[in-house]
Amino acid sequence: AQSVAQPEDQVNVAEGNPLTVKCTYSVSGNPYLFWYVQYPNRGLQFLLKYITGDNLVKGSYGFEAEFNKSQTSFHLKKPSALVSDSALYFCAVRDMSGTYKYIFGTGTRLKVLA
Amino acid sequence: AAGVIQSPRHLIKEKRETATLKCYPIPRHDTVYWYQQGPGQDPQFLISFYEKMQSDKGSIPDRFSAQQFSDYHSELNMSSLELGDSALYFCASSWTGGSYGYTFGSGTRLTVV
Repeated sequence: AQSVAQPEDQVNVAEGNPLTVKCTYSVSGNPYLFWYVQYPNRGLQFLLKYITGDNLVKGSYGFEAEFNKSQTSFHLKKPSALVSDSALYFCAVRDMSGTYKYIFGTGTRLKVLA
Repeated sequence: AAGVIQSPRHLIKEKRETATLKCYPIPRHDTVYWYQQGPGQDPQFLISFYEKMQSDKGSIPDRFSAQQFSDYHSELNMSSLELGDSALYFCASSWTGGSYGYTFGSGTRLTVV
């Protein structure tokens, strides 16, 4: 079965510092991995995806993610955090065995401190 | 660009009532997915439709049903509502010939009182 894990419920980082939000995955076959951000009372906004190709994926709002096959990880990163980045971040894997539904991680709340 | 439209944005119902949530996918998208996100929870897959046929089923209660119509919009019908059904319900759409990601609507917040 496909799954993703986000080991941290919350990550705190000072504004201007680099941030990392962790995600590990477990899939059979090639992984199709995604990051979404959710602001309070809002929908899920797409940040970036890894399908194939370069291990470093660049996405929206200055975010990037590094795909590491040996560590089965897909950590979200940003070189310099902004207070406005404070939100809930979800890692997801797409179930390619059938109907392509998403399986989400439990989410990580990012808090950027001014 | 057109996005996934969900209506209503907010809905308040009493226990044992019925609710209908609507989802209008992005034009030419052939697949619709429904997710339920409880308070402080990650989104959980409920059901999906491909070309108007149910394609997958997740943790959807028997009290819930859904369908996709000829114009590709989808409706999630929820009967005998319980307090625990209070959640944010997301719809997403995709095109199977596309790049594997899909687009979420803004969600319908259902509150059962």
